[in-house]
Amino acid sequence: QKEVEQNSGPLSVPEGAIASLNCTYSDRGSQSFFWYRQYSGKSPELIMFIYSNGDKEDGRFTAQLNKASQYVSLLIRDSQPSDSATYLCAVKKGGGYNKLIFGAGTRLAVHP
Amino acid sequence: EPEVTQTPSHQVTQMGQEVILRCVPISNHLYFYWYRQILGQKVEFLVSFYNNEISEKSEIFDDRFSVERPDGSNFTLKIRSTKLEDSAMYFCASSVDDRYTDTQYFGPGTRLTVL
Repeated sequence: QKEVEQNSGPLSVPEGAIASLNCTYSDRGSQSFFWYRQYSGKSPELIMFIYSNGDKEDGRFTAQLNKASQYVSLLIRDSQPSDSATYLCAVKKGGGYNKLIFGAGTRLAVHP
Repeated sequence: EPEVTQTPSHQVTQMGQEVILRCVPISNHLYFYWYRQILGQKVEFLVSFYNNEISEKSEIFDDRFSVERPDGSNFTLKIRSTKLEDSAMYFCASSVDDRYTDTQYFGPGTRLTVL
């Protein structure tokens, strides 16, 4: 079982729609969860993080965490063509273990 | 806005040679990391570094790899006896501390090509 799993996509949504990106993780001891955006050939860029169950909103982005289901998601409202990128879910165990464990990413395509 | 910088942006080397990848973390950050991403694959952790010591390393980080903070600003990754399979993007990252709530910021990466 992969530590962090994401659908590879592509997820295609029309401009202005809501894009929903999902991620599951295997280690119940994981404490914090990060969403990064990566454009082709570029480095991961932090979008937001979440560590408490529930929703966390930041502008057009909402992260949702359900630790019981070991599930984290990212919603992008009013999707724009510039949002087209690969979205990486990353998990940190905490407790002195600082490494980020990444999923393979979901490619999002927003078409006009 | 402070950012992590990396040099060079692209390094080409012959198999068996040594390379040094350089990073300048964000100035008030204390924790430093190297990750790599083979083309088309996921980002993988290599090593974390704090207080001039390795905190954690992955199985990828074998004895050909080493890290160093030679001065107050630079953080380097050295790869000896490079192999074809070392070809990848190498990302440096830094964070303020090691709390689970803390975030890591990534540099632009160095593309290493081993011929």
